[in-house]
Amino acid sequence: EPEVTQTPSHQVTQMGQEVILRCVPISNHLYFYWYRQILGQKVEFLVSFYNNEISEKSEIFDDQFSVERPDGSNFTLKIRSTKLEDSAMYFCASSENWGTEAFFGQGTRLTVV
Amino acid sequence: KQEVTQIPAALSVPEGENLVLNCSFTDSAIYNLQWFRQDPGKGLTSLLLIQSSQREQTSGRLNASLDKSSGRSTLYIAASQPGDSATYLCAVRNQGGKLIFGQGTELSVKP
Repeated sequence: EPEVTQTPSHQVTQMGQEVILRCVPISNHLYFYWYRQILGQKVEFLVSFYNNEISEKSEIFDDQFSVERPDGSNFTLKIRSTKLEDSAMYFCASSENWGTEAFFGQGTRLTVV
Repeated sequence: KQEVTQIPAALSVPEGENLVLNCSFTDSAIYNLQWFRQDPGKGLTSLLLIQSSQREQTSGRLNASLDKSSGRSTLYIAASQPGDSATYLCAVRNQGGKLIFGQGTELSVKP
C-alpha cells in the first residue's frame, strides 16, 4: 500500500543550526503538508503546498521555515536557524486532491539542544 | 477561530466493550472531518473521513457520525480489542484546506 515516508526518523541538532527534513509523498498526490506536534500538545498545521507554491501557511511558519519540492518525488522542510522551541515531531502529509483524505508519514522527531 | 475539543482525554475499558469517543468543534463551516489513530511515538493513521454532507461513515468495527450543525462528531468502536489501544485524534478541515486537530483521547483496552 502506498505510504508517505519521512527521513530521518530522529534528528538532534544544535541551536542555530540548519536542518532539512525530508518527505516522499504518495506518488499520485498533488497536495503536500507539514504539521508538527510538540510533546504533549496538539498536532498543529505549518504549511500546505500545491503546484510548486505555498497555498496556506500558519503563523508558526515564519521566515525561518521554507519548503521545497526539489524534484518529482521529494518534499522538504528547512529550518534555517533552529531554536529550542522547534523541538517537536514533524509530520509530512499528502492528499490526492484538495480536501481529500490526508495520509501522514511516521514523523521526524527533531530535538534541538 | 476554529477550536476542536475531544472528551474524554483518557479512557480505559475491558476488552469486548463498545465505546464512544467524542469530538466537538466551534465553527460548523467545515469541509470534512477525519479521524486518526496515533500509536506512541508514531505517525497518524487515517481511520475515517466523513464529508460535511454525510451523517455517518463506517469501516469495519468503526463508525463515525457527524452532526455539523451542533458541531459534534463521535467515533464508535465496537467490540474493542487490546490492539485498539492508542490515541484517537479528530481533525476538522476548514474551507482553506488545513486540518485542525483536537488533543486526542488516549484509549486503553485491557485484556
